[in-house]
Amino acid sequence: EAEVAQSPRYKITEKSQAVAFWCDPISGHATLYWYRQILGQGPELLVQFQDESVVDDSQLPKDRFSAERLKGVDSTLKIQPAELGDSAMYLCASSPGQGPEKLFFGSGTQLSVL
Amino acid sequence: KQEVTQIPAALSVPEGENLVLNCSFTDSAIYNLQWFRQDPGKGLTSLLLIQSSQREQTSGRLNASLDKSSGRSTLYIAASQPGDSATYLCALEDTGRRALTFGSGTRLQVQP
Repeated sequence: EAEVAQSPRYKITEKSQAVAFWCDPISGHATLYWYRQILGQGPELLVQFQDESVVDDSQLPKDRFSAERLKGVDSTLKIQPAELGDSAMYLCASSPGQGPEKLFFGSGTQLSVL
Repeated sequence: KQEVTQIPAALSVPEGENLVLNCSFTDSAIYNLQWFRQDPGKGLTSLLLIQSSQREQTSGRLNASLDKSSGRSTLYIAASQPGDSATYLCALEDTGRRALTFGSGTRLQVQP
């Protein structure tokens, strides 16, 4: 069964360092999402792509976060510099991009900033 | 801004019990509503999706209902099993926004 792939699974970094997360959506899925989930809370949208274009990045802290999906397939989310408050689970999800549809989530990257 | 609330935050029941999880939302102009399951430290799995024109969806022992006028959805789990232990989250897709707004979830534990 097709899955959304994310790496790394865990990342520990020190404050002020740069970190990057990678996501490969299900083949053929046009829409890709990055969500951040703080322990005990629901996921919150960071950025939404439709193919290679950003549809919504209104909640992305653009002073330190960047996201790209250059060829409309896989995507990278970067944080520089990382802050203590960035410790969270970073989840990638994809959907076919047509009509009301289920989202398919990856297993996430658990980030700890020390 | 859409706000999604799930009560209770945690629930513990004995195996075999039927149970209901609640989700309320503030803006009835929704495109669809989804219920997800999340195991500890893992991603989310979509369980049921209800389009705005629908009232309910069923999958196996799960039944989800939607009442837009009252701003509520419920997830009914029949004959609960220890394997149902997980966090259940509801999420709404607003008309026009096309991204999900999540509740904080209900952490369910089914005791053997």
